[in-house]
Amino acid sequence: DIQMTQSPSSLSASVGDRVTITCRASQSISSYLNWYQQKPGKAPKLLIYAASSLQSGVPSRFSGSGSGTDLTLTISSLQPEDFATYYCHQSFSNPHTFGQGTKLEIK
Amino acid sequence: QVQLQESGPGLVKPSQTLSLTCTVSGGSISSGDYYWTWIRQHPGKGLEWIGYVYYRGNTYYNPSLKSRLTISVDTSNNQFSLRLSSVTAADTAVYYCARVYINSLQTIDYWGQGTLVTVSS
Repeated sequence: DIQMTQSPSSLSASVGDRVTITCRASQSISSYLNWYQQKPGKAPKLLIYAASSLQSGVPSRFSGSGSGTDLTLTISSLQPEDFATYYCHQSFSNPHTFGQGTKLEIK
Repeated sequence: QVQLQESGPGLVKPSQTLSLTCTVSGGSISSGDYYWTWIRQHPGKGLEWIGYVYYRGNTYYNPSLKSRLTISVDTSNNQFSLRLSSVTAADTAVYYCARVYINSLQTIDYWGQGTLVTVSS
């Protein structure tokens, strides 16, 4: 299985901050990487697919970059509704695997 | 707008079989563009890929669960199902059904709301 290691596992930030979350794959996954946001008691929501494509309806402050083994999610200016847990997901090979999550909290 | 809805018992006894059904609305499960998948999340933990089914009945199972797992599709009712046998407390989790868009590098684009299944006597 491909191991996905997210960092940091938790992050405290303020409204307006720029934050970056990294996902490192145990082998190259090309651009087969998606990012999801999950709020308590809710299903994950797709933000970014294919490493850098913004899902329809998702604010442009979210962006993704990278390919291969190191990929990142950036939120350019945090809004109150962005405080949540973020997961990366590799779909390069079966079984698909997820990062362990990054919990983004208000400072 | 595609919607997925899980249904099934919220409480299962140890050693019994966990059975869930996902009903898809707003789109056809017979579209060749998607896999229909199950994912679970243990309480307070991350996400685990269980497996998927294609509308023709082709399946992929996570090797960690393969010996206990059956995923099937019912195109006439626009549903797919999960059966996990010989459950233990370690199978207590929120179970999500979801749609994987094959042509978009296998992105999970729609999720059900999730259903908590507790394994306990």
